[in-house]
Amino acid sequence: GESVGLHLPTLSVQEGDNSIINCAYSNSASDYFIWYKQESGKGPQFIIDIRSNMDKRQGQRVTVLLNKTVKHLSLQIAATQPGDSAVYFCAERKGGSEKLVFGKGTKLTVNP
Amino acid sequence: EAGVAQSPRYKIIEKRQSVAFWCNPISGHATLYWYQQILGQGPKLLIQFQNNGVVDDSQLPKDRFSAERLKGVDSTLKIQPAKLEDSAVYLCASSLQIAGGIYEQYFGPGTRLTVT
Repeated sequence: GESVGLHLPTLSVQEGDNSIINCAYSNSASDYFIWYKQESGKGPQFIIDIRSNMDKRQGQRVTVLLNKTVKHLSLQIAATQPGDSAVYFCAERKGGSEKLVFGKGTKLTVNP
Repeated sequence: EAGVAQSPRYKIIEKRQSVAFWCNPISGHATLYWYQQILGQGPKLLIQFQNNGVVDDSQLPKDRFSAERLKGVDSTLKIQPAKLEDSAVYLCASSLQIAGGIYEQYFGPGTRLTVT
């Protein structure tokens, strides 16, 4: 069935370090993936996306990697800052649908 | 550009009472979504509207939840009667097609519902 999950519920890093947040998905028909950031008391905010025909996409300080062989998605944040502290969700979309299925989230804490 | 507006931001009710949430999407966004986010979990889609028509309501508990978007702009989500397990944040999102079947969803701040 459709499900998106995370390997770790929490991640704590030092300011300036790189962060890697992982996500496993099970629907091989998913063709589009998104990472969202959710700060306390706010709705999810789009960070970066990737289509299934790509294996890597870079943004400003963020990189998403997609491994379709093992159905794994990761978000890398370079030089992590205190403002990056939030819960990060991956979401997948099955081809031909607008419906997003979200994982449970990883709480990132950045220590000064 | 104004974002997705939701009200109220917080609501506390007793079980078996009724409650309604309101959402005003971003101007020009034809698609509107309601999600339920239980503490510690990712958002779960309840219902999706395209203009004033329902596209997907497969995960909406229709015995107690209802939603409408009569004029294709604002939307309301109602719960009647509420149960303890309905305690969650209710998120509204709207979307715009940006390219090739990709719809970027913008989320509102959510309404935190506590059922006691």
